[in-house]
Amino acid sequence: DTGVSQDPRHKITKRGQNVTFRCDPISEHNRLYWYRQTLGQGPEFLTYFQNEAQLEKSRLLSDRFSAERPKGSFSTLEIQRTEQGDSAMYLCASSPATSAKGFFGPGTRLTVL
Amino acid sequence: DAKTTQPTSMDCAEGRAANLPCNHSTISGNEYVYWYRQIHSQGPQYIIHGLKNNETNEMASLIITEDRKSSTLILPHATLRDTAVYYCIANQGGSEKLVFGKGTKLTVNP
Repeated sequence: DTGVSQDPRHKITKRGQNVTFRCDPISEHNRLYWYRQTLGQGPEFLTYFQNEAQLEKSRLLSDRFSAERPKGSFSTLEIQRTEQGDSAMYLCASSPATSAKGFFGPGTRLTVL
Repeated sequence: DAKTTQPTSMDCAEGRAANLPCNHSTISGNEYVYWYRQIHSQGPQYIIHGLKNNETNEMASLIITEDRKSSTLILPHATLRDTAVYYCIANQGGSEKLVFGKGTKLTVNP
């Protein structure tokens, strides 16, 4: 069990630039989630996939954000025209169907200057 | 998903039991109680979950009151590595997302 991996672990970018993060879930898990966490707060749900289908998106996910899971395996989260308010830890989690026992990755820390 | 209420912070002496309370007075009959913890700069880690009965695993015990309106996570012999933020979440089990509050910051002191 290699766990959930995320890449990169840290990203510093300038305001207005686009960034893309990758998440590799546990291989047999068909559910994949993205969360965002700012300092002092618990993680906030962004979106979730069951296999390749994106089944729910939070209102937090503005039109600058897009997530994909094209083959039902890894997922990418892209943020276009980054803003300073996008600075946060972006967490990915995976789980088997019918369970909220999620396995989280180490996160990608984004800093927008 | 039901809202949960937890104390903001707690302290515990190393080697002693840490008892972390959680209030979930509006929990519905099909919602489980899940506990996660987050050590600084890491992703959350699943600890344990339960529906009605008390549960125990290698990490912790979960005591759920008979009316299911509250629960307690017990770390029987806390170590310094248990210092973390602990989140109590009510979830339907097959639900699509976890709703995290601010959790309880547990500090284990030497």
